[in-house]
Amino acid sequence: GAVVSQHPSRVICKSGTSVKIECRSLDFQATTMFWYRQFPKQSLMLMATSNEGSKATYEQGVEKDKFLINHASLTLSTLTVTSAHPEDSSFYICSATGTALGFQQFFGPGTRLTVL
Amino acid sequence: QKEVEQNSGPLSVPEGAIASLNCTYSDRGSQSFFWYRQYSGKSPELIMFIYSNGDKEDGRFTAQLNKASQYVSLLIRDSQPSDSATYLCAVSPFSGGYNKLIFGAGTRLAVHP
Repeated sequence: GAVVSQHPSRVICKSGTSVKIECRSLDFQATTMFWYRQFPKQSLMLMATSNEGSKATYEQGVEKDKFLINHASLTLSTLTVTSAHPEDSSFYICSATGTALGFQQFFGPGTRLTVL
Repeated sequence: QKEVEQNSGPLSVPEGAIASLNCTYSDRGSQSFFWYRQYSGKSPELIMFIYSNGDKEDGRFTAQLNKASQYVSLLIRDSQPSDSATYLCAVSPFSGGYNKLIFGAGTRLAVHP
């Protein structure tokens, strides 16, 4: 149980385009989802927390107009990187938790974004 | 000062030995502590969590927490080459709930045959 999927697993795009990443909880209802970014040889940095049906809470320094997060249902959250630039190239990972999971977060497999 | 600190390693241990991974945190209000394992190019997977002072054992893994010293550790007994990975310590600043995790930079463990 507690499986989280992400799609796509890898994406390459041109600078200036927008990219949408999906995060799904497959076997539980995720009341809260988290989005992280990880640069090579660095740790995970929390970008934002999203609760189903409400606006995401962004961490300090994360541009909410650039990283659009939507958590429209209990099983799906999306992260859209708008007008992507090479410095946005990173490993984006979502995690999810829900009532049945207590305080444990389960991570998706990640999405490798490369902006040319 | 970083909120969660770990020695980046690499920590090299022979197969069958005990690997000891350490983590300190700055927020005294932290209540929940987690150890994740991350293989290169993959996302983290939860190994253990602990929120009470003392030891918690699960198979070959033992987590130790000392809130007075703001210190949490992970012991891996009978280390195997498959344990070679980066181990991330994560701290949640509040008890329970769906709270955010603050991650350390991770310690790279290498278990050699």
